[in-house]
Amino acid sequence: GENVEQHPSTLSVQEGDSAVIKCTYSDSASNYFPWYKQELGKGPQLIIDIRSNVGEKKDQRIAVTLNKTAKHFSLHITETQPEDSAVYFCAAEGGKGAGSYQLTFGKGTKLSVIP
Amino acid sequence: EAGVAQSPRYKIIEKRQSVAFWCNPISGHATLYWYQQILGQGPKLLIQFQNNGVVDDSQLPKDRFSAERLKGVDSTLKIQPAKLEDSAVYLCASSRNDRSPLHFGNGTRLTVT
Repeated sequence: GENVEQHPSTLSVQEGDSAVIKCTYSDSASNYFPWYKQELGKGPQLIIDIRSNVGEKKDQRIAVTLNKTAKHFSLHITETQPEDSAVYFCAAEGGKGAGSYQLTFGKGTKLSVIP
Repeated sequence: EAGVAQSPRYKIIEKRQSVAFWCNPISGHATLYWYQQILGQGPKLLIQFQNNGVVDDSQLPKDRFSAERLKGVDSTLKIQPAKLEDSAVYLCASSRNDRSPLHFGNGTRLTVT
């Protein structure tokens, strides 16, 4: 099955700086890669996603890049703000076959933005 | 649109007791998932439903866990008997179909003592 590795496990940045979180995956058949933000006591919330036919996607201060050859993808947050502090999870669609859309998650990155 | 609703928010039980969690997905979402999130880890899929049928339950510990989705809407997840290692947050998620983004509820935090 799919295996997703995520680094770093914790990340501290000064407000206004950029943050980068990296993930690798094992199943070359995977073609959907979402990123989730989880605040304390809440469920994960989708913040951006990318499909394998696209190399990069941007939404305001958040961008995701995908390198299918190397099987890795990254989340970039620019101009970080204190409200960006949370745990971020990457995920990859596991190769379970048609009709079964399942995500395998990384272990998460705790991002702290220092004012 | 209203989000995924889960109850209860917290539950504390002793080992060997039973517990049930309830989930109401977003209206119109055909696919429903139950995930287990152990502290410090990412969510791990337990079971996936498409309407009221099970798509995949390969990671569900069937000797103690069971789940159902009657009428293709609400779902319940039950643990009987609970073990200490079942302490986790149980997340329900739904999607419009099995190729759409997942929307998560806020989960039920289970503590087994």
